[in-house]
Amino acid sequence: NAGVTQTPKFRVLKTGQSMTLLCAQDMNHEYMYWYRQDPGMGLRLIHYSVGEGTTAKGEVPDGYNVSRLKKQNFLLGLESAAPSQTSVYFCASSYKGSGGIEETQYFGPGTRLLVL
Amino acid sequence: TQLLEQSPQFLSIQEGENLTVYCNSSSVFSSLQWYRQEPGEGPVLLVTVVTGGEVKKLKRLTFQFGDARKDSSLHITAAQPGDTGLYLCHGDTGGFKTIFGAGTRLFVKA
Repeated sequence: NAGVTQTPKFRVLKTGQSMTLLCAQDMNHEYMYWYRQDPGMGLRLIHYSVGEGTTAKGEVPDGYNVSRLKKQNFLLGLESAAPSQTSVYFCASSYKGSGGIEETQYFGPGTRLLVL
Repeated sequence: TQLLEQSPQFLSIQEGENLTVYCNSSSVFSSLQWYRQEPGEGPVLLVTVVTGGEVKKLKRLTFQFGDARKDSSLHITAAQPGDTGLYLCHGDTGGFKTIFGAGTRLFVKA
C-alpha cells in the first residue's frame, strides 16, 4: 500500500494563476482533510470530507475549493493564487473507530507551494 | 475559537537529558493524539489517549491525558538525537473539525 500520496511535491505559481493539488489514499478511508502548515502556526484545516461527494469548510477555507468525486481522491484547488497562500499543504485521511473515537490520521508527504 | 496551546515552542537539549512538552486547552476532547513530524515529511502518529488521567508509555516516551481531558503532556526520558523533530498535539472534539497545536520543535544534540 502506498498510503497517502500527494502531487505535485513542489510548485511555483505567479499571483493570479490557478492550480489543483491531488491527494490519493488507498486505505479505503472515509474521511479526508487538507491542511496548510506555516511556521509557528501548526496545521490549520482548510477543508475536509466525510465521504465521497461531500465536502465541508475548515478553519481557513477562503481562496480554496475542494472536490471528492471518488472516495480515494481529494482535490484542492486554488482559483487565483495569492502570495499569502505560500505554504506547505498536507493531505490526510482517517476513519472513525468504534465508539466514535477518531483513529489515526495518515498524512501525505506534503506539497510545497510558492506564490510569487 | 478552540485552541490547543503547546509549550515550549522550541527546545534544544543535550543527549541524555529529560524533557516534558505540554499541550493545553480550555476545550474538552474525546481523544488527544501526539504526532511527530520530521523535516520534509508529514506528521506520524505516536499515541492516542482517550480516558481522563490515562498514561501511556512508548519506550522512552510517556504520554499523559489530563483528568478533565483538556490537557496532555509528553515526557521523554534520556533524549537521543533521533528524537529530534516537531511534536504536535491534536485534539478531537468528536466532530470533524480537528485541532492541532502549533507544535514544539525539539533538537537533541549529540
